[in-house]
Amino acid sequence: EAGVAQSPRYKIIEKRQSVAFWCNPISGHATLYWYQQILGQGPKLLIQFQNNGVVDDSQLPKDRFSAERLKGVDSTLKIQPAKLEDSAVYLCASSAPGLAGGPSYNEQFFGPGTRLTVL
Amino acid sequence: RKEVEQDPGPFNVPEGATVAFNCTYSNSASQSFFWYRQDCRKEPKLLMSVYSSGNEDGRFTAQLNRASQYISLLIRDSKLSDSATYLCVVGPGYSTLTFGKGTMLLVSP
Repeated sequence: EAGVAQSPRYKIIEKRQSVAFWCNPISGHATLYWYQQILGQGPKLLIQFQNNGVVDDSQLPKDRFSAERLKGVDSTLKIQPAKLEDSAVYLCASSAPGLAGGPSYNEQFFGPGTRLTVL
Repeated sequence: RKEVEQDPGPFNVPEGATVAFNCTYSNSASQSFFWYRQDCRKEPKLLMSVYSSGNEDGRFTAQLNRASQYISLLIRDSKLSDSATYLCVVGPGYSTLTFGKGTMLLVSP
């Protein structure tokens, strides 16, 4: 079974530039998550989708970050404009549907991440 | 108080040693508890879920103390391959999961 795919794996940009990350979850996984992991810290949830709807985006800096999952499958995360403190690994994860197709506490499977460096 | 707190370590232990990590959480309504493992420059992977009755998977034992709001992970007979960062993860009901900063384990020959 194919895992969670992410691209690009690495990205270097200058501050104030824009950047976009792509994620394709495991087939059939209704829940998709974007995390930010700064060096030395645990992953911090940015946004959680259930199919194409947003479940939680309370920690997403909405003035500069946006995410979409239009068809309920793959997803993009965008930063515009980037700041130095956005340097981090951006992890995408997915999990299978819970009971009655709702939110799940099934295992989250993570992609390899995109390592972003903002200069 | 932080939502999920862990001692960052590193814990340096020799092969064969027993090592234990603790994690405390602030939300008493939390209902889901996990340990994830993250190797250097890799993505996190689920190590084990933590149940109220405690659970064991080979050399790994996880326990939950709801009254004191802490979770523990015990690793027996440590192997070199156990060297990694162990992330404590807590979920308050039907909501998002919160990851701790992780505890680094270094197992030496």
